[in-house]
Amino acid sequence: QSVLTQPPSVSAAPGQKVTISCSGSNSNIAKNFVSWYQQLPGTAPKLLIYKDNERPSGIPDRFSGSKSGTSATLGITGLQTGDEADYYCGTWDNSLSAGVFGGGTQVTVL
Amino acid sequence: EMQLVESGGGLVQPGGSLRLSCSASGFTFNNYCIHWVRQAPGKGLESVSAINTIGTNIYYADSVKGRFTISRDNSKNMLYLQMSSLSVEDTAVYYCAKGGPYCNRGLDYWGQGTLVTVSS
Repeated sequence: QSVLTQPPSVSAAPGQKVTISCSGSNSNIAKNFVSWYQQLPGTAPKLLIYKDNERPSGIPDRFSGSKSGTSATLGITGLQTGDEADYYCGTWDNSLSAGVFGGGTQVTVL
Repeated sequence: EMQLVESGGGLVQPGGSLRLSCSASGFTFNNYCIHWVRQAPGKGLESVSAINTIGTNIYYADSVKGRFTISRDNSKNMLYLQMSSLSVEDTAVYYCAKGGPYCNRGLDYWGQGTLVTVSS
């Protein structure tokens, strides 16, 4: 059971938009920055979003992040087949004094 | 170019021990918190441990407390994870990941991982 809650899967047609929710609590998301990671099949995770809504260099603006209270959201617009991957939210939990992740969301492009 | 290279994984029997290493290059190692994150086969990411820049603040997941020890050698740009009393539940790919100047920041670069298999 992950500390952060994500939907197991989302899907949409190419060119469409998907959003992935990440639900936490006052000890984690509400108090710390949220990051989002993309994991393509057979590869290591890669940072997509940091500090709730910042994109590292090289990440297209089709990817966006937002946060409100104890929840965060990743948005992907203009969906491409290359976006098929698992996406994880992550943050720090002040009560656990540890990093925490969501269970991951598999994105499928129909 | 930033690089994190893990090593030391392999097959170990339940109850055994293993030491993982992570070699860092391409950035000022002693300026960043470094994490170990693992992923069991077919499962999600689990934070295992983190260590601050000078090794004075160390964090562990409850699942590994008392069995795993994280350490770093800033003179060698190396991170370590000493694992003992291993169980089948510890079977996973272990990644080292670069954090921020403080351990509560995101992980902006990950190594390729090393596989630990605990089996008799």
